[in-house]
Amino acid sequence: EDQVTQSPEALRLQEGESSSLNCSYTVSGLRGLFWYRQDPGKGPEFLFTLYSAGEEKEKERLKATLTKKESFLHITAPKPEDSATYLCAVDPSGGNTPLVFGKGTRLSVIA
Amino acid sequence: GAVVSQHPSWVICKSGTSVKIECRSLDFQATTMFWYRQFPKQSLMLMATSNEGSKATYEQGVEKDKFLINHASLTLSTLTVTSAHPEDSSFYICSARGTARTEAFFGQGTRLTVV
Repeated sequence: EDQVTQSPEALRLQEGESSSLNCSYTVSGLRGLFWYRQDPGKGPEFLFTLYSAGEEKEKERLKATLTKKESFLHITAPKPEDSATYLCAVDPSGGNTPLVFGKGTRLSVIA
Repeated sequence: GAVVSQHPSWVICKSGTSVKIECRSLDFQATTMFWYRQFPKQSLMLMATSNEGSKATYEQGVEKDKFLINHASLTLSTLTVTSAHPEDSSFYICSARGTARTEAFFGQGTRLTVV
């Protein structure tokens, strides 16, 4: 069974304190790994897509990396506005099948 | 990223009435749309998958007669909650995928409150 596990469940950081969120996955075949950001009361906002081990993507203070078993979302010098739930998802089969989501990491950045 | 518009963003209805939620892909053709339900501080729960022009595929435990899904065009899918009851109160989110990109893009979500 395809599975995505995110850790930690919640993370509290001081402003400027860099850290990483983990997403480990078990899939029959990886067609893509996705990171989303979700603010309370909003739909998830797309951040990154990674396709193969060794790939990296960056956007402002965020950098996503991928290995054969997991992905990391690195947050460098976070600001309070980075507070959100970060969701990881995989596409195990391609086509138009549903993504498999992890339960997310709730990030709080304190000024 | 691509834009998916969901409407309304919130709705309050009386118990026993029906509510329709619209999901539109504004700048791409959504061959497949997904409907999710989300409870407070919980992750997304997939309700159904709909392909344009076909009947929706519902996840186990989701009542297809209660949650009617229509995907009549490549840019529009609707979710109708029929005979709504207070336990149907929740946050509903749609998502769309096309053929040009692998990512799924989400609408803003609809907060449904049944009183």
